[in-house]
Amino acid sequence: DTGVSQDPRHKITKRGQNVTFRCDPISEHNRLYWYRQTLGQGPEFLTYFQNEAQLEKSRLLSDRFSAERPKGSFSTLEIQRTEQGDSAMYLCASSLGYFRLSGETQYFGPGTRLLVL
Amino acid sequence: DAKTTQPNSMESNEEEPVHLPCNHSTISGTDYIHWYRQLPSQGPEYVIHGLTSNVNNRMASLAIAEDRKSSTLILHRATLRDAAVYYCILRDGAAGTASKLTFGTGTRLQVTL
Repeated sequence: DTGVSQDPRHKITKRGQNVTFRCDPISEHNRLYWYRQTLGQGPEFLTYFQNEAQLEKSRLLSDRFSAERPKGSFSTLEIQRTEQGDSAMYLCASSLGYFRLSGETQYFGPGTRLLVL
Repeated sequence: DAKTTQPNSMESNEEEPVHLPCNHSTISGTDYIHWYRQLPSQGPEYVIHGLTSNVNNRMASLAIAEDRKSSTLILHRATLRDAAVYYCILRDGAAGTASKLTFGTGTRLQVTL
């Protein structure tokens, strides 16, 4: 296993179209995070899964965004009716969740770069 | 989450040590100091973390001030491959086992020959 993978790496779409991104975490990792990163900024948290349960969502995740993690394996992030403001890098991270006071290390994928025209 | 302050950019010559500062004057007693870095066109990667004592690993060292209001990430010999954006992040150990990372804008490190 070589790490977290994301597909596609790049996506160009027209405003109003729907897009779906996929993330495959490291195989034994039970936690999966989605982040969004715009140019010149650090990544911003969107949502988080523990196994198949979506446990936290950021206020950034509008009702046009939906994320799933069926069977606690891969995850998908769908954006409906895309807007130009959705143009960003979408990053996925996974971690092995167990009790660790300092917080577990998150392993990031290479990201999916979305451009909405 | 407690806030961190980092310089926007720094430069270093190759094979020289680099000290990347981070101020976190509002840090709480349960906050851990984490560093991640993001190389060009890649996702962030973990570098190091600590609570009170200085920490060393194969990538870097973390020096934490006695009052914990600041810390310094030390790269002992910078290489061109260390050119990246470095993020200093506080994670609350009292918040439970799962916590999102709250990134700032980080410090962009340039390494020159």
